Amino acid sequence: EAGVVQSPRYKIIEKKQPVAFWCNPISGHNTLYWYLQNLGQGPELLIRYENEEAVDDSQLPKDRFSAERLKGVDSTLKIQPAELGDSAVYLCASSLDTAGRDVAFGPGTRLTVL
Amino acid sequence: AQSVTQLGSHVSVSEGALVLLRCNYSSSVPPYLFWYVQYPNQGLQLLLKYTTGATLVKGINGFEAEFKKSETSFHLTKPSAHMSDAAEYFCAVSAPSNKLTFGTGTQLKVEL
Repeated sequence: EAGVVQSPRYKIIEKKQPVAFWCNPISGHNTLYWYLQNLGQGPELLIRYENEEAVDDSQLPKDRFSAERLKGVDSTLKIQPAELGDSAVYLCASSLDTAGRDVAFGPGTRLTVL
Repeated sequence: AQSVTQLGSHVSVSEGALVLLRCNYSSSVPPYLFWYVQYPNQGLQLLLKYTTGATLVKGINGFEAEFKKSETSFHLTKPSAHMSDAAEYFCAVSAPSNKLTFGTGTQLKVEL
């Protein structure tokens, strides 16, 4: 079974530029998560989808961050404009159920904002 | 609100020695508890989990953890460390919000 796929793996941009990350979850996984992991920290939830509905986006900075999950499969996370403090690893994860008992993580996208 | 505390941001052990990584949690309802491992430049891999049933859970690579409700703990152990165990380990809790809340992680170093 293929795991969670993310692209790109690495991205370097200048501040104020836009950036987008893409995630393809494990086939059949209806719940999709985006997590932010700062250096030396544990991941923090940005947004959680159940199918195409965002059921928890309370931690997503909506002034510059946006996400979508059209058709309830792939998802895109966008930052516009990026700031220096956005440099981090962005992790996508998915799970079969909604209880969070079997969450599989992708390899992440490491963003560097110069 | 749920939270996780991992004692010791860095732990160093000798190869062949016991590994003990500490995790305490708070949750208003019976929790689901997890340990994940992260190797450099990789995503998180599930080591083991406790949801219901037996409080001693065994995971991959010889790791195990015991859920102790009275102590609100879920410490991770391995009887004999191997060089390949060097990585960062995260404890996480999921309940009641169905989202994973992670600790700050423990970097495990294994020395010859």
